[in-house]
Amino acid sequence: SQQGEEDPQALSIQEGENATMNCSYKTSINNLQWYRQNSGRGLVHLILIRSNEREKHSGRLRVTLDTSKKSSSLLITASRAADTASYFCATEGSGNTPLVFGKGTRLSVIA
Amino acid sequence: ETGVTQSPTHLIKTRGQQVTLRCSSQSGHNTVSWYQQALGQGPQFIFQYYREEENGRGNFPPRFSGLQFPNYSSELNVNALELDDSALYLCASSLRHYNEQFFGPGTRLTVL
Repeated sequence: SQQGEEDPQALSIQEGENATMNCSYKTSINNLQWYRQNSGRGLVHLILIRSNEREKHSGRLRVTLDTSKKSSSLLITASRAADTASYFCATEGSGNTPLVFGKGTRLSVIA
Repeated sequence: ETGVTQSPTHLIKTRGQQVTLRCSSQSGHNTVSWYQQALGQGPQFIFQYYREEENGRGNFPPRFSGLQFPNYSSELNVNALELDDSALYLCASSLRHYNEQFFGPGTRLTVL
């Protein structure tokens, strides 16, 4: 079963625009992670935000976490064609439970 | 590119056969997790090995089994293959449990 639900399922933007993806989950978490996957290959870890954190930045990435709403967002600023990929959120539940991934958001950045 | 490697890259099997997939973890990592990713879906957790012991299992039947070796490399074995086992199989290594996971490129399994 998949706990995280990303929204939207697909997103198409022009190069230079910002892309925002959202993730909702159902149970208490230790942390929430975002991953990128290019063309059905391996996933690349982007950022981890712990349950006691509200916002985190890494380069052009900004992640927010609202544990009261059980939701997170990933913002990619000044997008590039190379950002075209699928993006997944994954949650680690309380009590050291396995990562549970959502179905992902397919981002297309058009040059 | 992570330091995690998987073999083979692609594999075609027929229903009822058995398959073994292999994974070499990133240097220094003692934990390996295996995931199944069906087309258009997110990865689903199969199981995790920590220091050669199974350390958690997802909702997969016993015909999915694994091993971890003293050098922390790992195998995933699937017996009595079914058509629905067709998927991308990903392994990921980490320093501990479910923190940042370093994924390999995956093995694409097709069951005919």
